[in-house]
Amino acid sequence: DTGVSQDPRHKITKRGQNVTFRCDPISEHNRLYWYRQTLGQGPEFLTYFQNEAQLEKSRLLSDRFSAERPKGSFSTLEIQRTEQGDSAMYLCASSNRDGERGNGYTFGSGTRLTVV
Amino acid sequence: KQEVTQIPAALSVPEGENLVLNCSFTDSAIYNLQWFRQDPGKGLTSLLLIQSSQREQTSGRLNASLDKSSGRSTLYIAASQPGDSATYLCAVTIAGTALIFGKGTTLSVSS
Repeated sequence: DTGVSQDPRHKITKRGQNVTFRCDPISEHNRLYWYRQTLGQGPEFLTYFQNEAQLEKSRLLSDRFSAERPKGSFSTLEIQRTEQGDSAMYLCASSNRDGERGNGYTFGSGTRLTVV
Repeated sequence: KQEVTQIPAALSVPEGENLVLNCSFTDSAIYNLQWFRQDPGKGLTSLLLIQSSQREQTSGRLNASLDKSSGRSTLYIAASQPGDSATYLCAVTIAGTALIFGKGTTLSVSS
């Protein structure tokens, strides 16, 4: 296994456009997380899935954001009508069910979004 | 609400120096604590994971300790090298939540 993969690595978009990011977790991990990180801050939780079920969403996840994990494998995060404030690094992580008690979390390299 | 604080926010040291990074958390009922490294513009690399029942973990020149009762963890880096320059993030997990991060300590090691 090559770890958690995120695509694309960088995305520049004009304000008002929609963007979609993809995350491929470690294959044996059934939990998948999305985080957002702005400059000088630690990552902030957005949402997480256990298999295909979205179990928790942060209040940071406005109605312009939607995440899916249709078959319990890869996940997509879509941002509609992007705003300049959406510019950030979007990080994906995965863990097994007992990640919080067990082996911890593995992060991908992130997608850097710039909204111009 | 769990809050994680890291001190100092930035640290500059000469090569070869031993150093300590600090992390504190407000809710001691954690499952584990994880230290990550982040290079500029990159994702997070896991360094050490300490379970709530453990006191410390070691990997090479790194040693992390955990004191749940006082809500503190330290990351000790021995014989620092310029390649250690990065931001170090501390994160904890508690029941029913994902990782909660501090803002990180940015370390610069000069040769």
